[in-house]
Amino acid sequence: DTAVSQTPKYLVTQMGNDKSIKCEQNLGHDTMYWYKQDSKKFLKIMFSYNNKELIINETVPNRFSPKSPDKAHLNLHINSLELGDSAVYFCASSQGGGRYFGAGTRLSVL
Amino acid sequence: KQEVTQIPAALSVPEGENLVLNCSFTDSAIYNLQWFRQDPGKGLTSLLLIQSSQREQTSGRLNASLDKSSGRSTLYIAASQPGDSATYLCAVRPSQGAQKLVFGQGTRLTINP
Repeated sequence: DTAVSQTPKYLVTQMGNDKSIKCEQNLGHDTMYWYKQDSKKFLKIMFSYNNKELIINETVPNRFSPKSPDKAHLNLHINSLELGDSAVYFCASSQGGGRYFGAGTRLSVL
Repeated sequence: KQEVTQIPAALSVPEGENLVLNCSFTDSAIYNLQWFRQDPGKGLTSLLLIQSSQREQTSGRLNASLDKSSGRSTLYIAASQPGDSATYLCAVRPSQGAQKLVFGQGTRLTINP
């Protein structure tokens, strides 16, 4: 069974639309994250949730909002998509030790 | 501010060779260091996790070492295979309480048959 799963795998949409990416982990971890991988392949953290509480919000535009309905889920909502939002978004989870990543969602804004 | 650098950015070697990937970090006060593998269009797969008190970790043909005082880690791959072709990333966790990992930009490895 996949430990960290995110959907969809690919997301192609027009500029200005609102979209969501879902993430679920079945590892029982307390902390979940969203990362953005830019065109130069750098991974930058966007959000971190621990027990449904936001810990980090790294200068991410307000158009991005994480929503955690429970400890196993952390969804990413993006409003008014812009061209510069095109990237691969990774969900991850951890509890003390290493970090486990999802397969990524490739977002293309046209 | 912690910075992680991986050199070279790309590496191409013939199948069967042993090789070393390098990772350096500017602040030696780290909690742990993790090596990941990323295949094209796919997510990150954790390879090895080294705690700050450890010197190395081994898994199959992979060996990762950590020298905190010099701010370096190496990933050694023995008897490389075409299936090892991927981008290898190292990431540092600055402290136990830190939620953020600081990533290098990766080394893209190509193993030629």
